[in-house]
Amino acid sequence: EAGVAQSPRYKIIEKRQSVAFWCNPISGHATLYWYQQILGQGPKLLIQFQNNGVVDDSQLPKDRFSAERLKGVDSTLKIQPAKLEDSAVYLCASSLFGGESGKLFFGSGTQLSVL
Amino acid sequence: KQEVTQIPAALSVPEGENLVLNCSFTDSAIYNLQWFRQDPGKGLTSLLLIQSSQREQTSGRLNASLDKSSGRSTLYIAASQPGDSATYLCAVQTSGSRLTFGEGTQLTVNP
Repeated sequence: EAGVAQSPRYKIIEKRQSVAFWCNPISGHATLYWYQQILGQGPKLLIQFQNNGVVDDSQLPKDRFSAERLKGVDSTLKIQPAKLEDSAVYLCASSLFGGESGKLFFGSGTQLSVL
Repeated sequence: KQEVTQIPAALSVPEGENLVLNCSFTDSAIYNLQWFRQDPGKGLTSLLLIQSSQREQTSGRLNASLDKSSGRSTLYIAASQPGDSATYLCAVQTSGSRLTFGEGTQLTVNP
């Protein structure tokens, strides 16, 4: 079974530039998550999709971050403009149903450095 | 607001030792608790998932317990090996299926 695919693996940009990350979840998984993990901290949920719809984006900085999930499959996360504090690993995860059935599968992440 | 704390932040042990990692959470209204492993530069791998109605789960040398009423979980690793070296993260799932993570315990097992 193929896992969660993310690209790019690494990205270095200057502040105020824009950047986009891509995620392809495990086939058939209805729920997709984007997490931000700052060095030395646990991952923090940015946004959760159930199929095409947003379930939770309460921690997404909407003035600069946006995300979409077209056709309920792939997803992109965009930052525009980037700030120094956005330097982190961005992790995508998927689960079969979401809710309390629970088990999440994570991709390898995109490591973003903002200079 | 759910808060998850993991103690210790870092742990170094000799190979073969049995060890316990601790996780505590502030809101006992959880659906489940999960333990993850994270290797440097990689994503998270799910190790064990304990539903709120369960007390423990076992997989190989790993055993996780859950005491929901006291807001605590432990991950027990038996006969540790150098390959167990990684960061271990605890996460609780609450309403709306959000996972709240602790900051992790960085484990080093020395040969």
